[in-house]
Amino acid sequence: ETGVTQTPRHLVMGMTNKKSLKCEQHLGHNAMYWYKQSAKKPLELMFVYNFKEQTENNSVPSRFSPECPNSSHLFLHLHTLQPEDSALYLCASSHRLTEGYGYTFGSGTRLTVV
Amino acid sequence: GESVGLHLPTLSVQEGDNSIINCAYSNSASDYFIWYKQESGKGPQFIIDIRSNMDKRQGQRVTVLLNKTVKHLSLQIAATQPGDSAVYFCAENRMNSGGSNYKLTFGKGTLLTVNP
Repeated sequence: ETGVTQTPRHLVMGMTNKKSLKCEQHLGHNAMYWYKQSAKKPLELMFVYNFKEQTENNSVPSRFSPECPNSSHLFLHLHTLQPEDSALYLCASSHRLTEGYGYTFGSGTRLTVV
Repeated sequence: GESVGLHLPTLSVQEGDNSIINCAYSNSASDYFIWYKQESGKGPQFIIDIRSNMDKRQGQRVTVLLNKTVKHLSLQIAATQPGDSAVYFCAENRMNSGGSNYKLTFGKGTLLTVNP
């Protein structure tokens, strides 16, 4: 275990469904991130939160809605997704945005939109 | 433009051989680099990092080399084992233009396959 836990590990949802992805970190980090990983593409940064405040939205469609109630928890609410949204969604955390250290990743949620 | 890229998308080696995975970056202002390993069904896992004031750093069976002159980064794995089979990403961490935050940018990754 990396200290970053994501649930569920796998999710299959229809295009009209609403679901949420959850991320929890036990590392005492203050910055959290959502990444999308599609086949044959680099990791795509979606959202960045620092001390619960969103600091970056990388032009993500509004059908993805993040929520960060505290520095240890991060959610990604999903609604009316498209099949091309099928991917591995990774959560990561780091100590602080202002420090040049790497991120700790969770194992991801494998999302399939049918 | 700014990018972090990899020279080879796939690398196949025999067990026991040494592996070298390469990465090119284009932003000379980048001051911190990281190698991640991603096994099937898992998230990326930190392997080793290096700051721009160094040109070499060694870990357990892994060595990272940084050549700032040609903006090149490499990961060397000694005595490669089947458990080393994974996708390896280099990542570039640099301060944003406002000087307030760091941002990690990933390359596409190299798939390393170790043959027994």
